[in-house]
This record gives sequence, structure tokens and C-alpha cells, in this order.
Amino acid sequence: SAVISQKPSRDICQRGTSLTIQCQVDSQVTMMFWYRQQPGQSLTLIATANQGSEATYESGFVIDKFPISRPNLTFSTLTVSNMSPEDSSIYLCSVARALNTEAFFGQGTRLTVV
Amino acid sequence: QKEVEQNSGPLSVPEGAIASLNCTYSDRVSQSFFWYRQYSGKSPELIMSIYSNGDKEDGRFTAQLNKASQYVSLLIRDSQPSDSATYLCAVNIYNTNAGKSTFGDGTTLTVKP
Repeated sequence: SAVISQKPSRDICQRGTSLTIQCQVDSQVTMMFWYRQQPGQSLTLIATANQGSEATYESGFVIDKFPISRPNLTFSTLTVSNMSPEDSSIYLCSVARALNTEAFFGQGTRLTVV
Repeated sequence: QKEVEQNSGPLSVPEGAIASLNCTYSDRVSQSFFWYRQYSGKSPELIMSIYSNGDKEDGRFTAQLNKASQYVSLLIRDSQPSDSATYLCAVNIYNTNAGKSTFGDGTTLTVKP
């Protein structure tokens, strides 16, 4: 398994502002992902965080809205920019030690935009 | 057709019964299959991974994979109220998905005492 620390665990933000979520893993991992989960729904992949290069975004998600950094193999950040109430959701960091192996999830960040 | 489909649920079983959760997937080159459990308000946690055809057992949990039928299932024996959660099926497609998992919508299981 992997020990993942995701911060903050929750936040209430004003519309138009930005929030950066951090994900720290206790050891090096190959894959890091960012997901969004609306209440009662399944996981939606936002992007794959690539170490040292631009993230790979899924359809419907763009870098200007969700900039992602991954400076090394243990750390990544997701920023939710220019927030609106529609961005209220749970954001999850996920890691996998190797390609196509099981994933482990951070505790999640519950974001409310008012 | 969704890439990964699960029983729509919710599924309710009495304590001590066998709970059967099913998942079908659309892409024949899928190679890695996972079951996650998610309690309300918590993040998903891995229960089982299975990579080859057949059964894989871990305690009260058995994953079954049939690649020819594009079907993976999870059986929970001697179900306990603590098993009440949403179960997510996830599939990795090696050739095209660059290491990412595609998740089903989940099946909510309730085990009644």
C-alpha cells in the first residue's frame, strides 16, 4: 500500500478564488491521478499528473481551470481556479506504484464554493 | 454502452448471506481489474485485484474473472453489516489508457442484521 497525505481535508471558498490541494506520498510512485467525485456518484478522472511535464487532462477538463504540478515522484498539487458553486465536490488524489497496478487514494478534499 | 457497467443496485442481503456484485466491461484488451470499497464519506479502498482468468480468494472475498465473457465479479461470503458500502469496479486497458483506471458507477450494498 501507500500512505497518502492530502491537504486540506475540507474548505469553504468564495467564488472567483482559487484553492490548491496537495498530495504527498510516503514513497516514490509511478502514477498519480486527480479525481472528482460528486455526492452519490462515481469517480471522474480529471487528469494524470506527470512528473516533470504537463499533466494529461481528460475530456472536459482544461489546464487553465485545473492546473496540476508534479515536481517529483512523491508530490503533486491540483489547483481549482476561478471557482464557482459548480466546482463544489470531493477531490481525490490517487497513486499507483506501477503502470496498471492497484491504486490507493488520499483522504479527499471536500470543497464547498459559496 | 459504458466502458464499465455494474449492477445498478442497491443490493440488500441478510447478515451471513453471500453478496454477489457484478461488473462487465466493453474493451477486450482490458488486463487489470480491481474492486474497491467506499464507505459513505470516505475515500475508496482496494479490496481485490485480479489479472488472470479464474478465481482469486482473500478471506471472505472472492474475485472472479472471465475475459472471454468480459465479466468480473466479487463475492462476499458471510456478509456482515460492516460490509455495507458502495463497491466500485475498475478496469485498466493497457494499450490505450496510459495506466489509468476506468470506474463503474458502483453498487451500493446493505447487509441487514
